[in-house]
Amino acid sequence: DTAVSQTPKYLVTQMGNDKSIKCEQNLGHDTMYWYKQDSKKFLKIMFSYNNKELIINETVPNRFSPKSPDKAHLNLHINSLELGDSAVYFCASSQGAGGGSYEQYFGPGTRLTVT
Amino acid sequence: GNSVTQMEGPVTLSEEAFLTINCTYTATGYPSLFWYVQYPGEGLQLLLKATKADDKGSNKGFEATYRKETTSFHLEKGSVQVSDSAVYFCALGRSEKLVFGKGMKLTVNP
Repeated sequence: DTAVSQTPKYLVTQMGNDKSIKCEQNLGHDTMYWYKQDSKKFLKIMFSYNNKELIINETVPNRFSPKSPDKAHLNLHINSLELGDSAVYFCASSQGAGGGSYEQYFGPGTRLTVT
Repeated sequence: GNSVTQMEGPVTLSEEAFLTINCTYTATGYPSLFWYVQYPGEGLQLLLKATKADDKGSNKGFEATYRKETTSFHLEKGSVQVSDSAVYFCALGRSEKLVFGKGMKLTVNP
């Protein structure tokens, strides 16, 4: 069983389009995250939700909007895509809201390419 | 603020060589410290962690000790294998989130 799954695995789209990435976890965790990994492998947190409530919102353009319909799902919607949005996006989950203390489980990533 | 500085590499070693990846941190309070590993084409996996000073985390032959006096959490393995080829991330846990270092790519040749 896949613990944290993301769809799609690859996403190629043109500038200006709107796209969504979906994430689901079957671990029963309360907290979910979105990270962005750039071409140099640098990983930075974007958002975190605990029981469907936003608890971390880093300095991210408001073209990015997370949505958590329930605590097992956290989707990422991106409007008006730009070239600089090209990256690998990782979803993760952890047992508690103290993301700094709990192990985070990562999905396989979604490679977004904006042309 | 909270930050992590680690060796960036890339590093290439021969099988059975000794590995050290340096990691130092800056943080307020008492963070938890982690090493995550990312194998090619995959997401990150927790390799080991330590939650307080002098704790030693270990897994799969890797070890790291939480050193408060030197604010360090260096990763070591006595004899690397080809299957250890991956990107290694040091991370600090504080205030509900993880702060990652820039990652170090390790290639182990047979």
